[in-house]
Amino acid sequence: NAGVMQNPRHLVRRRGQEARLRCSPMKGHSHVYWYRQLPEEGLKFMVYLQKENIIDESGMPKERFSAEFPKEGPSILRIQQVVRGDSAAYFCASSPYIVDTEAFFGQGTRLTVV
Amino acid sequence: DQQVKQNSPSLSVQEGRISILNCDYTNSMFDYFLWYKKYPAEGPTFLISISSIKDKNEDGRFTVFLNKSAKHLSLHIVPSQPGDSAVYFCAASLGGSQGNLIFGKGTKLSVKP
Repeated sequence: NAGVMQNPRHLVRRRGQEARLRCSPMKGHSHVYWYRQLPEEGLKFMVYLQKENIIDESGMPKERFSAEFPKEGPSILRIQQVVRGDSAAYFCASSPYIVDTEAFFGQGTRLTVV
Repeated sequence: DQQVKQNSPSLSVQEGRISILNCDYTNSMFDYFLWYKKYPAEGPTFLISISSIKDKNEDGRFTVFLNKSAKHLSLHIVPSQPGDSAVYFCAASLGGSQGNLIFGKGTKLSVKP
């Protein structure tokens, strides 16, 4: 049973380009969460999705960021017109339920904006 | 405004001794708490959790204590091993319809042989 898979592991983008980060949850998990970790900081919640639905996007910046979890395929976190401040590690997690269960994290995508 | 605080950025412990990592929170509505361990360049790995209806949960060398009146929890590792050296994150959840975890900034534990 494969864990949460994120790709790419490392992504370099020039300012103004688009970044697409992919996350395949663990088998049987229907809840996906995206977190961002800035240097020397803890993980910050961005968005929580179930299949075809955004449940909570309260942590997502209002502009340039979007997320989806289609019926088929991985969850995608999309960052348009990236800026240097977007450089961070982005982690995806999945869980089978929402209450009283731990979320399993992927290895993360390290985005560097040059 | 940090709702989950880990006030010690680092902790150094001798192998075989006890490691105690602390975490404070401000939101009394949190009803589930978790500890994650993270190695460099890897994702966080779930370690142990506790529901707000309990005050202690034990799993092998790891024990988490919850003091709701003080809004404080701690992770005890005994005996500590060099392989425990990592960053430990405390996280809290509102449960219910909330799907996100609120993390502290982490404590870097170094266990010296």
